Amino acid sequence: GAVVSQHPSRVICKSGTSVKIECRSLDFQATTMFWYRQFPKKSLMLMATSNEGSKATYEQGVEKDKFLINHASLTLSTLTVTSAHPEDSSFYICSAREGTSGFSYEQYFGPGTRLTVT
Amino acid sequence: GEDVEQSLFLSVREGDSSVINCTYTDSSSTYLYWYKQEPGAGLQLLTYIFSNMDMKQDQRLTVLLNKKDKHLSLRIADTQTGDSAIYFCAESINSGYALNFGKGTSLLVTP
Repeated sequence: GAVVSQHPSRVICKSGTSVKIECRSLDFQATTMFWYRQFPKKSLMLMATSNEGSKATYEQGVEKDKFLINHASLTLSTLTVTSAHPEDSSFYICSAREGTSGFSYEQYFGPGTRLTVT
Repeated sequence: GEDVEQSLFLSVREGDSSVINCTYTDSSSTYLYWYKQEPGAGLQLLTYIFSNMDMKQDQRLTVLLNKKDKHLSLRIADTQTGDSAIYFCAESINSGYALNFGKGTSLLVTP
């Protein structure tokens, strides 16, 4: 089946620094990737929708200048948390939708990145 | 966004059946999914159902959909300890859209 990887799987950074998280579709082309954030004992909350070659669409309440998303190719999207603060500590999960056209019911999820800001 | 609600916790004995329930409010939900998340891991799609279906069975998994009541359930037959995980119900109005998740049901299977 289709595989989505994320790197790094865990990262610890100091307040004020920036962290980049990569999401890759390994064996398929993903025109659309989604970034979710999962708080402890909470659901996954959609942060933004990333379309290859265009600007990401952010959900209400998500600061686009703080969470920079780049989807430069059909297999790679990156999320950069800028000037991270402890409240940004969370589990970040990406997903990728296969195909450039036609029906595709499934999104493939990455294994997630645990970010801890000290 | 629209709400997806699940009970937070379920405990069953090994070998019994588990039933995890979910309700949603968006009447335009077209695709309904069940995902499994093991500790520290990402999400694994277990099964999905289209809104024009009432039931779907896949080996030990049975999904029932009551569209009138906006109620979705996942039944796991012969539950095993390896089934212990968090199960998320999710919906979307279109196959290409992002998913709207419930908070997840933590399933504990005891020997």
